Amino acid sequence: DAGVIQSPRHEVTEMGQEVTLRCKPISGHNSLFWYRQTMMRGLELLIYFNNNVPIDDSGMPEDRFSAKMPNASFSTLKIQPSEPRDSAVYFCASSLGWNTEAFFGQGTRLTVV
Amino acid sequence: KNQVEQSPQSLIILEGKNCTLQCNYTVSPFSNLRWYKQDTGRGPVSLTIMTFSENTKSNGRYTATLDADTKQSSLHITASQLSDSASYICVVSSNNAGNMLTFGGGTRLMVKP
Repeated sequence: DAGVIQSPRHEVTEMGQEVTLRCKPISGHNSLFWYRQTMMRGLELLIYFNNNVPIDDSGMPEDRFSAKMPNASFSTLKIQPSEPRDSAVYFCASSLGWNTEAFFGQGTRLTVV
Repeated sequence: KNQVEQSPQSLIILEGKNCTLQCNYTVSPFSNLRWYKQDTGRGPVSLTIMTFSENTKSNGRYTATLDADTKQSSLHITASQLSDSASYICVVSSNNAGNMLTFGGGTRLMVKP
C-alpha cells in the first residue's frame, strides 16, 4: 500500500479563495482524521470520521471549514473563504480504529496570501 | 482541562549518546498514550502506543515508559543516530467523546556528529 495520499503537497492561494485539500486513506482503514499543524499551536485535530461518518468535528475552527468523506477511499477538507491565518500544514491520517495507530500522509502546506 | 506537557522543548546531543524525553499529562479518562516522531517536512510516524496496563514498550532503540499513577511517560533513545533528529510528539487519548486526543507541544531533538 502507498500509505495515506494527500494532494496537493503545496497550495498557495489568495485570501478569499476557496481551497480544497484531498486525502486517500489506507485501504481497509475505517477511521480518518484531519489535522492542522502550525508553529504556534502545534498539531491540532480538526475532525474525525469513522466509517465515512463525521464523529467529532469540535476541532474545526469555524464555519469556513468543512470536511466530507463521500466514500471509504476519499475525503476532502474545504476552506471557503480562505484567510491568511489558515496558513498551516494540513495532515490527513487513517487508522483501523479511532484509538489505534494512525498513519499520516505527507501533508499539504497551505499558504494564504 | 486536559493537558499534555513535554520537556525539554528542545535538546541537542552528540551522536551515540542516550537521551530521555518527558511527557506529563492530566488527561482523564485515560485510554492510551502515543509517541510520534516527525521529521522536518513530513508527517508524524508512530513509535509506540501504550495502554493503562503497559509500563514499558520498545521499538528498536526507542523505549517508552508509562506511569499511569503519576501520569508521566518518557521516551528513551539509546545510542542516538543523526537520523533521530526530529520532533517527538506525545499524544494522550481519552475515551471522552469530544475530547479524544490531546497533543503535547513536542520536543525538538538535534543529534550532532
